[in-house]
Amino acid sequence: NAGVTQTPKFRILKIGQSMTLQCTQDMNHNYMYWYRQDPGMGLKLIYYSVGAGITDKGEVPNGYNVSRSTTEDFPLRLELAAPSQTSVYFCASSSTGGFAGELFFGEGSRLTVL
Amino acid sequence: GIQVEQSPPDLILQEGANSTLRCNFSDSVNNLQWFHQNPWGQLINLFYIPSGTKQNGRLSATTVATERYSLLYISSSQTTDSGVYFCAVERGDYKLSFGAGTTVTVRA
Repeated sequence: NAGVTQTPKFRILKIGQSMTLQCTQDMNHNYMYWYRQDPGMGLKLIYYSVGAGITDKGEVPNGYNVSRSTTEDFPLRLELAAPSQTSVYFCASSSTGGFAGELFFGEGSRLTVL
Repeated sequence: GIQVEQSPPDLILQEGANSTLRCNFSDSVNNLQWFHQNPWGQLINLFYIPSGTKQNGRLSATTVATERYSLLYISSSQTTDSGVYFCAVERGDYKLSFGAGTTVTVRA
């Protein structure tokens, strides 16, 4: 059982470049999330989705976009990368329910913008 | 938004010692979870505990929702317990808010 899979694990971008972080889960979870973690800090929510075709902004959405065309996939796109987006990005999912259930995380994607 | 405060920010333990980590939150919550981030950065869910008490091996957690706090107990600590412990809460809007974490170092 793979759980939540993120790719790539590491990436270096130049200022102004764009890229997509991929996230796939095989647990049939409706809820999916993208968080970023800056050094020595907690996690901040970027975007989340409660099901295919439905996405919404979290605390820090500026500079990012998401889509949710299937239950399994929740890619995060960075447009015009900036040094402030240097961070570790975590994708997570949780099961169906009236509210967010137990959260399962991917292994993270470390992004550096130079 | 809801505020989550964790204490202490740092904790250094001798192997075999017991400890208590605290999470205070500013509003009523539907969901509270504790996570462990190991030194390699992996985040593991320890407890899903919006109220009551749960135990899993040497770890246990108690949430007193009416008083807006949760406690994580580590007993007979081991070096593998080192890492950062996060508390996260949710008010029914699907958005988990994380505290800043408690960094635990267990020395052999």
